Amino acid sequence: DAGVIQSPRHEVTEMGQEVTLRCKPISGHNSLFWYRQTMMRGLELLIYFNNNVPIDDSGMPEDRFSAKMPNASFSTLKIQPSEPRDSAVYFCASSLLEMGYTFGSGTRLTVV
Amino acid sequence: TQLLEQSPQFLSIQEGENLTVYCNSSSVFSSLQWYRQEPGEGPVLLVTVVTGGEVKKLKRLTFQFGDARKDSSLHITAAQPGDTGLYLCAGAGGTSYGKLTFGQGTILTVHP
Repeated sequence: DAGVIQSPRHEVTEMGQEVTLRCKPISGHNSLFWYRQTMMRGLELLIYFNNNVPIDDSGMPEDRFSAKMPNASFSTLKIQPSEPRDSAVYFCASSLLEMGYTFGSGTRLTVV
Repeated sequence: TQLLEQSPQFLSIQEGENLTVYCNSSSVFSSLQWYRQEPGEGPVLLVTVVTGGEVKKLKRLTFQFGDARKDSSLHITAAQPGDTGLYLCAGAGGTSYGKLTFGQGTILTVHP
């Protein structure tokens, strides 16, 4: 297995533009998590899915953020409109029950 | 809300020294995991401890889970520059969804 695959690795966009981050979890994993990491706040859980169903989105900062998981092999995190304070590294992780997370390599987002 | 406090936040040592990182909480966790993250990559799972009082060794790394399953420690013997990175502890609360609570992390720098 190639692990959790995220794209793009880097994204630079202008304030106000829509940004879509993509994630392909490990086949067979039943949970998928979106995290945001900054120096100030560390790893923040944004939303997580179990069997493609959103379980807890209380970490999504604002209505500008949305996430979908249309099937077991794909998820997106969308920011519309983006703002400079959204600049961070966004990680996707997948797991099977309470076994350890496998993280992707992340998407470094810069909003200018 | 379950919280995990990691200490120290920063650690800068010379090659060959020993070190211990602590992870503490007032909550009980069903299991606790340790991750290591290198710059530009996602966290990578090092170990999972599930039994109170459990000790696991991974080469020069020793992980311990407290008897009450509220705290954990990571001890590195004879640190090497390759050990440099961000170390994260994460606790599982026993839900079937596998949601983890992450500590803020310890940034370790080992100087040659």
